Parts: sequence; structure tokens; C-alpha cells
Amino acid sequence: DQQVKQNSPSLSVQEGRISILNCDYTNSMFDYFLWYKKYPAEGPTFLISISSIKDKNEDGRFTVFLNKSAKHLSLHIVPSQPGDSAVYFCAATAQGGSEKLVFGKGTKLTVNP
Amino acid sequence: DTAVSQTPKYLVTQMGNDKSIKCEQNLGHDTMYWYKQDSKKFLKIMFSYNNKELIINETVPNRFSPKSPDKAHLNLHINSLELGDSAVYFCASSPFRFSNQPQHFGDGTRLSIL
Repeated sequence: DQQVKQNSPSLSVQEGRISILNCDYTNSMFDYFLWYKKYPAEGPTFLISISSIKDKNEDGRFTVFLNKSAKHLSLHIVPSQPGDSAVYFCAATAQGGSEKLVFGKGTKLTVNP
Repeated sequence: DTAVSQTPKYLVTQMGNDKSIKCEQNLGHDTMYWYKQDSKKFLKIMFSYNNKELIINETVPNRFSPKSPDKAHLNLHINSLELGDSAVYFCASSPFRFSNQPQHFGDGTRLSIL
């Protein structure tokens, strides 16, 4: 029962171009979404989040877009840098609900110089 | 100065043994978590404690027992280890128990059962 799906296991982009990572969810109770970034042999680190009352949140080179009707969110990284190469996890939660985060399987992003 | 630290980083042991993983956070957070990342790469919540009180207990075999002596520590003890317990276990913490708070993760403990 995958409530959060990241259907692309990997993505490769050129340095300076845009990276778009996608995430779909099935639980309509989810109303808060977070992206985490993970380097090998390290724990995930929080990147950016969005509440369901918004459809866009921006932080520097990172922008998250939320389409509630499609139950879809995406993370845009512009411009992509080699240091962005990592696994990106999408996570979702129902704030008034069980207090737990549900994670996707992750997408491995490789940014080529 | 590591914010969330777990020990050991690697743990290799035999089936049937009992082992513990320790976690400490120096962020002053109220809430701590244990996650399991299995071979399929899913990160799944196992337990959560808020100020030493258990608030999330997912469907985890009762061979797994968390212990929180104070709000800065959350240890995980596993009895009678099985092959399926092989995974990376992550500890995390957040300022409060609300799930919209960004969680800070340790670097993980890779448990391998022989």
C-alpha cells in the first residue's frame, strides 16, 4: 500500500539545466508535504515543504509545486549543480491525523558536469 | 557537533542474537523517532516518542522495544534477530510532535544479519 509514490527511480540532468522530480500520493487526507535530500551513508536532510493551502513554495534554487486535484507534487531545481546529486525523498502527512510522515521510495538525481 | 548521533554505524551479527542501537540528539527537541529503511528503500516509521512518552507504535514485531530514558535519548533494542531485520535504521528528532515539523535524521545504523 504505497500512499506516496515516486515512480522514477533515477533522473540524470546536465549541470545548469532544470531538474524536475515528481511525487504522487493517494491519501486525500494528506495536507502537508516535505522533500528530503539524502547523500550516501548519511541521513536524510530536510529541503523544502508545502502546505495544501498553497500551490507553490520557493526557497532559492528549489521550488515545490502542488496540484491537489491531481494529487501530485513536483520539486524543481534550477539551475542544477553537481552537488545536488543525491536521493530525493517525498514525504506526506495529515496534520490533524496520525502525526507520522509517509515517505516515497526516493529518486536518485545525478547532475553531470 | 553532530545533532542526531546513532551508534553503532554498522552492526553485523548472527540470527537469534539480541542487539541495541543508541540514539542521542543535542537539539533540545521534544520528539524522537525510529525509522527502518529496508532493501526496497522505503523509509517507514517504527516508533515515535514525545518527551519520553510513546506516541507512535507501528505494526512492528514485539521483538523490537524502544526505550527513552530522557527526551534526548531514544534507544532501540531488538531481541532474537531474524534475517528480515537486516536494514538501515534511522533515528530522527523534531522540535514538537506535529508531523509538519522538519525532522533531523542521524546517519543511520546498517544492521546485517548473518
